[in-house]
Amino acid sequence: DGGITQSPKYLFRKEGQNVTLSCEQNLNHDAMYWYRQDPGQGLRLIYYSQIVNDFQKGDIAEGYSVSREKKESFPLTVTSAQKNPTAFYLCASRPGNQPQHFGDGTRLSIL
Amino acid sequence: GQNIDQPTEMTATEGAIVQINCTYQTSGFNGLFWYQQHAGEAPTFLSYNVLDGLEEKGRFSSFLSRSKGYSYLLLKELQMKDSASYLCAVRERDYKLSFGAGTTVTVRA
Repeated sequence: DGGITQSPKYLFRKEGQNVTLSCEQNLNHDAMYWYRQDPGQGLRLIYYSQIVNDFQKGDIAEGYSVSREKKESFPLTVTSAQKNPTAFYLCASRPGNQPQHFGDGTRLSIL
Repeated sequence: GQNIDQPTEMTATEGAIVQINCTYQTSGFNGLFWYQQHAGEAPTFLSYNVLDGLEEKGRFSSFLSRSKGYSYLLLKELQMKDSASYLCAVRERDYKLSFGAGTTVTVRA
């Protein structure tokens, strides 16, 4: 089945630790996105990539990093510089001019 | 940047109609989207407007007025499963989406 797969579903981070959230899609979409959602709030854009080997900062990129070495993969690293990482992280991809579609999300918590 | 406003909460009775309004300000409009998000789950796409007017999709309809920076999502014949958060999102010319905070709709029996 085609789709967007995020893993893990739940992730715990210790103080001072970097963690990486996986996002894989087999839909052949060029554009991919990472969002953060806090309780009672809308989605905020962290990073996005319109094409392989290129990505841009979104509205809240500080404390995060990404890579786009393959079309199918757009991993997000939450670094120790991100002081408030507890949130629901959503990855999305977009085919051409069509709407974005989302993965099932990763819920990150601090130990 | 974007400034997207929608009501925080709405409550309606099963079988009724609810209209969720969304107002926005943008420098480069390239479409307005509505997503549904059940608690703890990812958003799912409902509707898309790029031109003025009404788009109908079964029990759900969405309206857009670009000159007024205004959209609404109309949910008809409400069912219990429609209880969810509804997100209004505006796309700019660079295809970035900006989301409103969402409207939580509670459907009562």
